[in-house]
Amino acid sequence: KQEVTQIPAALSVPEGENLVLNCSFTDSAIYNLQWFRQDPGKGLTSLLLIQSSQREQTSGRLNASLDKSSGRSTLYIAASQPGDSATYLCAVRTGNQFYFGTGTSLTVIP
Amino acid sequence: DADVTQTPRNRITKTGKRIMLECSQTKGHDRMYWYRQDPGLGLQLIYYSFDVKDINKGEISDGYSVSRQAQAKFSLSLESAIPNQTALYFCATSGGTSTNTGELFFGEGSRLTVL
Repeated sequence: KQEVTQIPAALSVPEGENLVLNCSFTDSAIYNLQWFRQDPGKGLTSLLLIQSSQREQTSGRLNASLDKSSGRSTLYIAASQPGDSATYLCAVRTGNQFYFGTGTSLTVIP
Repeated sequence: DADVTQTPRNRITKTGKRIMLECSQTKGHDRMYWYRQDPGLGLQLIYYSFDVKDINKGEISDGYSVSRQAQAKFSLSLESAIPNQTALYFCATSGGTSTNTGELFFGEGSRLTVL
């Protein structure tokens, strides 16, 4: 069974810092990998989707990379802002099933 | 309007009551999912459906049932609610992988409290 791990579970950074969130998975036979943002008690908002044939995707200050062979993805956030404070989850799709990490809770301190 | 809509958004009920959570989507997707999220835990799959005639149990289906009334509608029922079913419930949809990006879209969630 696919296992998805996100480390660290929590991260606190000062405003303006660049940061990297990590996601690792055990089975490299994935169809895609998706990064989500979740605010407390709210739904999951899709940030970036990387297909298995792609190496990275970018949206504004966000850049996600994928290394299937090593079972890793990173989400890079440039020039962090207090509004970036949220929990970030990664999910991998294997066949018709999705497997989720438990998320990294990010706090950006003004 | 949201692409994936869940009702109700919040519900407080008592032990033993029957509860239905409803989900509708305008994405035109065949695949629909119900997940449960507990504080500090990841998302757990309750049930999923790949079309109106296809219903499958997920990893935590005990105590739950579902109905796929139409391609766009997928309901989750708790026949006799118990306190440990207090959680945040999410409906999600995705397309297939042959002609679609396979992206997963979530509703806003339904917070259920069982007293």
